Amino acid sequence: AQTVTQSQPEMSVQEAETVTLSCTYDTSESDYYLFWYKQPPSRQMILVIRQEAYKQQNATENRFSVNFQKAAKSFSLKISDSQLGDAAMYFCAYSIWGAQKLVFGQGTRLTINP
Amino acid sequence: DVKVTQSSRYLVKRTGEKVFLECVQDMDHENMFWYRQDPGLGLRLIYFSYDVKMKEKGDIPEGYSVSREKKERFSLILESASTNQTSMYLCASSPYDRGAGELFFGEGSRLTVL
Repeated sequence: AQTVTQSQPEMSVQEAETVTLSCTYDTSESDYYLFWYKQPPSRQMILVIRQEAYKQQNATENRFSVNFQKAAKSFSLKISDSQLGDAAMYFCAYSIWGAQKLVFGQGTRLTINP
Repeated sequence: DVKVTQSSRYLVKRTGEKVFLECVQDMDHENMFWYRQDPGLGLRLIYFSYDVKMKEKGDIPEGYSVSREKKERFSLILESASTNQTSMYLCASSPYDRGAGELFFGEGSRLTVL
């Protein structure tokens, strides 16, 4: 079975600095997708960034980027120039190509210190 | 914007009661999901549906059932609520995608079973 592990239950960072959230996954599949979702306090979960496993280039979305290491089965999220609005629970997720459903990690609570 | 609406944000029920959690999406998405969110465990898939009247068990279906009579509506049913079903329940929808579609989430329903 596929599993997703986030080993950092909580992280904190000073405003304007950079933080990296870790995620590892276990799969025997070759075609899959990886995601980072953000859940702000009392608000809906939203997609932050998505990576296709067949793409060697790391995905980026403005201040958010990933470090995808396929051989190591590692998928970390880097947030640059952290802002107060980045405070949230962050979930790493995995989906087999075509499966339509996602497997989520345990989540990392990110605190931004002003 | 895609909107996924969950009928109740907060519910308090008694052990043994039958509980209905309703979810409606307005973007004609084929897929709908029910996840359960617990601290330290992340999101776990209860059931999902990829078409009207179609359903598949997720990772933790025991004690739950679902109904999808119309494309836009996906209901989660707890036939006889128990205290270990106290949790946050998240509904999500996604368009069919040959790879893996982005999930759009509702705000969640926090259920307390006394």
